Amino acid sequence: GDSVTQMEGPVTLSEEAFLTINCTYTATGYPSLFWYVQYPGEGLQLLLKATKADDKGSNKGFEATYRKETTSFHLEKGSVQVSDSAVYFCALSLRATNKLIFGTGTLLAVQP
Amino acid sequence: NAGVTQTPKFRILKIGQSMTLQCAQDMNHNYMYWYRQDPGMGLKLIYYSVGAGITDKGEVPNGYNVSRSTTEDFPLRLELAAPSQTSVYFCASSYPTRGRGQETQYFGPGTRLLVL
Repeated sequence: GDSVTQMEGPVTLSEEAFLTINCTYTATGYPSLFWYVQYPGEGLQLLLKATKADDKGSNKGFEATYRKETTSFHLEKGSVQVSDSAVYFCALSLRATNKLIFGTGTLLAVQP
Repeated sequence: NAGVTQTPKFRILKIGQSMTLQCAQDMNHNYMYWYRQDPGMGLKLIYYSVGAGITDKGEVPNGYNVSRSTTEDFPLRLELAAPSQTSVYFCASSYPTRGRGQETQYFGPGTRLLVL
């Protein structure tokens, strides 16, 4: 079935370090891909998305490129801040449905 | 706009009790969803609705019921609460776009439920 696999956390980084959170997917169709972020005590909010192969989503210094050949959508940021500490969820949505399938989430902790 | 609102924020239930989790959105979104989030797990879809009067099961619907009498409201009903329903519940909404499957979902702040 359709699924999303993302790297397990927690990921602990120092401020200004480079961030990569890996995400790979399995889908029968041609999905749209998303990264959602959940700050402590809050609901999820969209961070970025990409809807076709080779698209790059970007927001708040975060980037992810839709790689169809490797079925991946890795999240990157060049210099993390303490305020980026949150749980990051990779997700997919198929064209035949508007339902999201989530990965298990990766906790990022950024230390000053 | 308040966006997606959920009440209550936190609730403790005894086994066998029932309750309704409220969800409302003021963005005139057609689609609404209920998810549960268990520790170390992603969100699992419980029920969803594509419009008033239309609901359908998601991945984990057992033990829950929903109704959608208006565009704005999408309550989730728990009958005979069980410890396995201890979780954080999120409501979300989205608006259909031309690109099917590309819609951004907007989430409420969540309801934390503890069943003892």
